[in-house]
Amino acid sequence: GENVEQHPSTLSVQEGDSAVIKCTYSDSASNYFPWYKQELGKGPQLIIDIRSNVGEKKDQRIAVTLNKTAKHFSLHITETQPEDSAVYFCAAEYQAGTALIFGKGTTLSVSS
Amino acid sequence: DTAVSQTPKYLVTQMGNDKSIKCEQNLGHDTMYWYKQDSKKFLKIMFSYNNKELIINETVPNRFSPKSPDKAHLNLHINSLELGDSAVYFCATSAGQASSEQYFGPGTRLTVT
Repeated sequence: GENVEQHPSTLSVQEGDSAVIKCTYSDSASNYFPWYKQELGKGPQLIIDIRSNVGEKKDQRIAVTLNKTAKHFSLHITETQPEDSAVYFCAAEYQAGTALIFGKGTTLSVSS
Repeated sequence: DTAVSQTPKYLVTQMGNDKSIKCEQNLGHDTMYWYKQDSKKFLKIMFSYNNKELIINETVPNRFSPKSPDKAHLNLHINSLELGDSAVYFCATSAGQASSEQYFGPGTRLTVT
């Protein structure tokens, strides 16, 4: 069945470093790829998304890249700050856009 | 105003009991979802409703039954609770299909003893 694999499961960086999280998906019909951030005790919140008609999207310190041929997409966070510490989930739409399938999450820790 | 609210936030109950979790949204969105997040943080879709109609019902036991009395509410009723039902349950909404931003509620932590 449809699957989204996410790596790494944990990531520790120093404040100011960059962080990269990678995902692969299996459904070639997927056209929408969001990234969610979940802080402790809260629900996930969308931080950036990308659709298949673009290869890259940037929003301040956050960028997402998409390679549809390889079925890869990645989240890049530059100049990390302690408040970036959270669990990050990638996701891909499936079943003709009726649902999202999520990766297993990456716990990002940014130490000052 | 909270966009997506859930009650209760915490729910501790014994095996075999029946319980409900309520979800309300004030965003005017057409689509609502229930997700289950297990102890390893894995987030999995359970149900999807669009305009009060069930769109997706993933491989969820029949003991779980969603009810949508109106577009602003999607409640989750669970019968005969089991230890494995312990998890955090999230309600979410989106303006259209899943290929648009989903707004998540704060979650309900269910503990079955």
